[in-house]
Amino acid sequence: DTEVTQTPKHLVMGMTNKKSLKCEQHMGHRAMYWYKQKAKKPPELMFVYSYEKLSINESVPSRFSPECPNSSLLNLHLHALQPEDSALYLCASSQPGTGTYGYTFGSGTRLTVV
Amino acid sequence: DAKTTQPNSMESNEEEPVHLPCNHSTISGTDYIHWYRQLPSQGPEYVIHGLTSNVNNRMASLAIAEDRKSSTLILHRATLRDAAVYYCILRGGGRRALTFGSGTRLQVQP
Repeated sequence: DTEVTQTPKHLVMGMTNKKSLKCEQHMGHRAMYWYKQKAKKPPELMFVYSYEKLSINESVPSRFSPECPNSSLLNLHLHALQPEDSALYLCASSQPGTGTYGYTFGSGTRLTVV
Repeated sequence: DAKTTQPNSMESNEEEPVHLPCNHSTISGTDYIHWYRQLPSQGPEYVIHGLTSNVNNRMASLAIAEDRKSSTLILHRATLRDAAVYYCILRGGGRRALTFGSGTRLQVQP
């Protein structure tokens, strides 16, 4: 299995809702990432997990809450989002470490906050 | 972080070779040069990476200048499916995670 699977593919949520995005990989990668991508912009790093521990939080607002229950799963819990949080949310995985390893990305969850 | 500079956009004709340039004049000795591409409505896709020597794989070739201050991604025969945004990214040397610049939008004409 060489894929990163993200669910759901599309999500519409109200500003008072709580929802979760899910990401799964079975490549044995021990680093997982969340990125946010606005239309016609490059992806922006949000969070990095290495060996199931949060290692980087790029000053993301607390209404986004990541969780890594095990080495194959990564969740992003959403609460009280704003319309400007509407974006494509991408999950990726790799082996931890420096530049020798490539990342595998999922196809993303397109989130619309209404 | 060392920065990369790419043209905003390029055009190519189908079945012709495409050379996508990237400048990275402040690259450090431990930085790997990675290329990713993002097709419309998809997540980024790993293309190729290298350190000092030229690299080939089934998707593309990577030519790295001798001084490592620039590199070129070569698509040997462009197809319509190669129309995407191509990102040149430096990894390693303590850099914490993949950081995307603005990339090059490649258009392929039939």
